Amino acid sequence: DIQMTQSPASLSASLGETVTIECLASEDIYSNLAWYQQKPGKSPQLLIYYANSLNDGVPSRFSGSGSGTQYSLKINSLQSEDVSIYFCQQNYDSPYTFGAGTKLELK
Amino acid sequence: QVKLLQSGAALVKPGASVKMSCKASGYTFTDYWVSWVKQSHGKSLEWIGEIYPNSGATNFNEKFKGKATLTVDKSTSTAYMELSRLTSEDSAIYYCTRSGVRAPYVMDAWGQGASVTVSS
Repeated sequence: DIQMTQSPASLSASLGETVTIECLASEDIYSNLAWYQQKPGKSPQLLIYYANSLNDGVPSRFSGSGSGTQYSLKINSLQSEDVSIYFCQQNYDSPYTFGAGTKLELK
Repeated sequence: QVKLLQSGAALVKPGASVKMSCKASGYTFTDYWVSWVKQSHGKSLEWIGEIYPNSGATNFNEKFKGKATLTVDKSTSTAYMELSRLTSEDSAIYYCTRSGVRAPYVMDAWGQGASVTVSS
């Protein structure tokens, strides 16, 4: 199975700050990487697919980048509603594995 | 809009089975795969498997073969997942999702989740 390692596990940032979350795959996943946001008490929601394509309705302050085994999610100008757990997922090879999540809190 | 409405929470005894439902609306049910995802301990996510409603074709995470059975009822646009021989390790929230719209195996719509607690 492809292992997805997210860092950091938790993150505290101030409103308006820029934050970056990293995801490292155990092998090349050729940009088959999605990011999800899970707000407290809610279901996960798709943010980004194919590493850098923004899903419909997702604010433009979210962006994704990366290739090969290394990927990142960047949130510009952090808002209070961005407090969530963020997961990466590889959709390159079965089983389609997720990272352990990054919990983003406000400082 | 796209909605996936899941059945409610279940409390089941060890060794028993549980069957949960996921009713889709707002899109053509038979056009897209339905994937199921397990969330344990409030954090980590696992892909269980998927079913294509039009044909009933399924794909599974090897870990869940023999544990999960996926079916659909096209007449009611409802997907089902049955979990068998339950243990405490199966206590989790289970989500049904729509997948394959944006990219293969990427989930662009999620149900509200169904909590399963296995306890005697």
